[in-house]
Amino acid sequence: NAGVTQTPKFQVLKTGQSMTLQCAQDMNHEYMSWYRQDPGMGLRLIHYSVGAGITDQGEVPNGYNVSRSTTEDFPLRLLSAAPSQTSVYFCASKDRGYGYTFGSGTRLTVV
Amino acid sequence: AQSVTQPDIHITVSEGASLELRCNYSYGATPYLFWYVQSPGQGLQLLLKYFSGDTLVQGIKGFEAEFKRSQSSFNLRKPSVHWSDAAEYFCAVGVEGYSTLTFGKGTMLLVSP
Repeated sequence: NAGVTQTPKFQVLKTGQSMTLQCAQDMNHEYMSWYRQDPGMGLRLIHYSVGAGITDQGEVPNGYNVSRSTTEDFPLRLLSAAPSQTSVYFCASKDRGYGYTFGSGTRLTVV
Repeated sequence: AQSVTQPDIHITVSEGASLELRCNYSYGATPYLFWYVQSPGQGLQLLLKYFSGDTLVQGIKGFEAEFKRSQSSFNLRKPSVHWSDAAEYFCAVGVEGYSTLTFGKGTMLLVSP
């Protein structure tokens, strides 16, 4: 089925560890973005991309890196995980119109 | 920059009663507006969206929302709430030419028997 696929669904990290959250879409959407969701805070934008090779920072970019080497993939990297990065992460893609598609989320716990 | 305010953190409604969830946005031009619902531990489900045209928008699960430009509001309504509607609801705004959404902090709906 067409859509946005996020892996893994759940992850536990130790403080200081690194990891990559994967996001892939098969709809040929140019626009992709990462959000984090925390209780009482809604979803906040981390990083986004308007096309392969082009990325920019959102509202809460510190501690995260992204790259966009292909249209399909937009991985989010945590270089040195901190407990403050415990959150649910959502990846989204957008078509040229007004259609947004969200992944099912990655629940990350940093201990 | 655009912003979204959902004034109510929690709302409790009796089953069968009507519901209105408030959403106010801040942006100079006409935004495009969304309502999403999220059940515990689940992802986001789109209820409805407004881009242009008729200011009363119908969505899934019997929900509707009305765009009021003069009040910068996009309130979500349902005439009769079911216990299965208990969830968290998010209003979001997108802006022409931008590729991302700005979300409100959410309203948690509790349904009492």
